[in-house]
Amino acid sequence: DTAVSQTPKYLVTQMGNDKSIKCEQNLGHDTMYWYKQDSKKFLKIMFSYNNKELIINETVPNRFSPKSPDKAHLNLHINSLELGDSAVYFCASSQNGASSPLHFGNGTRLTVT
Amino acid sequence: KNEVEQSPQNLTAQEGEFITINCSYSVGISALHWLQQHPGGGIVSLFMLSSGKKKHGRLIATINIQEKHSSLHITASHPRDSAVYICAGHNFGNEKLTFGTGTRLTIIP
Repeated sequence: DTAVSQTPKYLVTQMGNDKSIKCEQNLGHDTMYWYKQDSKKFLKIMFSYNNKELIINETVPNRFSPKSPDKAHLNLHINSLELGDSAVYFCASSQNGASSPLHFGNGTRLTVT
Repeated sequence: KNEVEQSPQNLTAQEGEFITINCSYSVGISALHWLQQHPGGGIVSLFMLSSGKKKHGRLIATINIQEKHSSLHITASHPRDSAVYICAGHNFGNEKLTFGTGTRLTIIP
């Protein structure tokens, strides 16, 4: 059983398009995250939700909008994609915030051409 | 300068060697995470600790809060340990994790 699943695994799209990445966790965790990993493998927090409420919103362009319909899901919508958005995006969850172990999805490699 | 620094950036060792990866942080943290990212890209949480030492199999993690330093040790290293190891500090007062830049470990048979 997959604990944190995100889809799609690969996403290739053109500049200007709008795309979504979905994330679901079946661990019963309260907190979910989106992280971006750049080409140098550096991870950076984008958003964090706790029980469907936004608790971290880092300096991310408005084109990125997270949506949490329930505490098991945290989707990421990206509008007007730019070349610089190309990266690997990881969804993660934890029982209760960053003082609990993190469980990561397998990542979505986004390539904007 | 990153608030969380790791060393070395790259480490190549022979199978069987004892491995140490270091993590130093300049911010106040309440817990430190060690993560492993395999060549396939998936990330696995190895340890989360706020004091002392934790052991899981051949992996040992230690932290010294006063010195703001943590180490990850691997005993009897094996080629399957080849991965990128990332430390991350959980900042006091918020839910942010600040990540180190990672250590790429390669174990040669």
